[in-house]
Amino acid sequence: KAGVTQTPRYLIKTRGQQVTLSCSPISGHRSVSWYQQTPGQGLQFLFEYFSETQRNKGNFPGRFSGRQFSNSRSEMNVSTLELGDSALYLCASSRGLAGVNEQFFGPGTRLTVL
Amino acid sequence: GQQLNQSPQSMFIQEGEDVSMNCTSSSIFNTWLWYKQDPGEGPVLLIALYKAGELTSNGRLTAQFGITRKDSFLNISASIPSDVGIYFCAGDEAGNNRKLIWGLGTSLAVNP
Repeated sequence: KAGVTQTPRYLIKTRGQQVTLSCSPISGHRSVSWYQQTPGQGLQFLFEYFSETQRNKGNFPGRFSGRQFSNSRSEMNVSTLELGDSALYLCASSRGLAGVNEQFFGPGTRLTVL
Repeated sequence: GQQLNQSPQSMFIQEGEDVSMNCTSSSIFNTWLWYKQDPGEGPVLLIALYKAGELTSNGRLTAQFGITRKDSFLNISASIPSDVGIYFCAGDEAGNNRKLIWGLGTSLAVNP
């Protein structure tokens, strides 16, 4: 069974640009969660999508948005990039809602903002 | 954002030693999860705890859900070099709409 895949694996952008990250969950999983990981802040929850609906949201500005498609694939968009957005962005999928279902993580997308 | 208090921040031990790390919170949790992250990879679930007082083992790993529902610990017995990595605790805070809260991680180094 294929694991969670994320594309691209590495990305370099400049301030002010926007970026879209993609996540393909494990087949049969309907929940996708996104996290931002930085050395000083650990894993910070961005949002969770289940059946194309955002079910939970973290404390990030509106520049961070996401969506989920009918095949459960998810995209995350960050507009007007700032230097502080440099981080590893992790996607995790689970059969049902996270918190009561095991989450499986992808390898992440390393975003560098110059 | 909200975080769990995870300690120690880092550990450097000799192969064969036992390891203990813990997470605490000021609020009650419904679930405690322990993950390990290797370099360049996403976290992998090691143990999930769903009931206060629950003690669960996974090979050389043992974790417990604190009786107050505000803490959890993870023990690793007889450490080996492949135990190297960052260990995270995460929890589902009661009344927080099933949103997982994470600790900052414990970085473990094992000297062979």
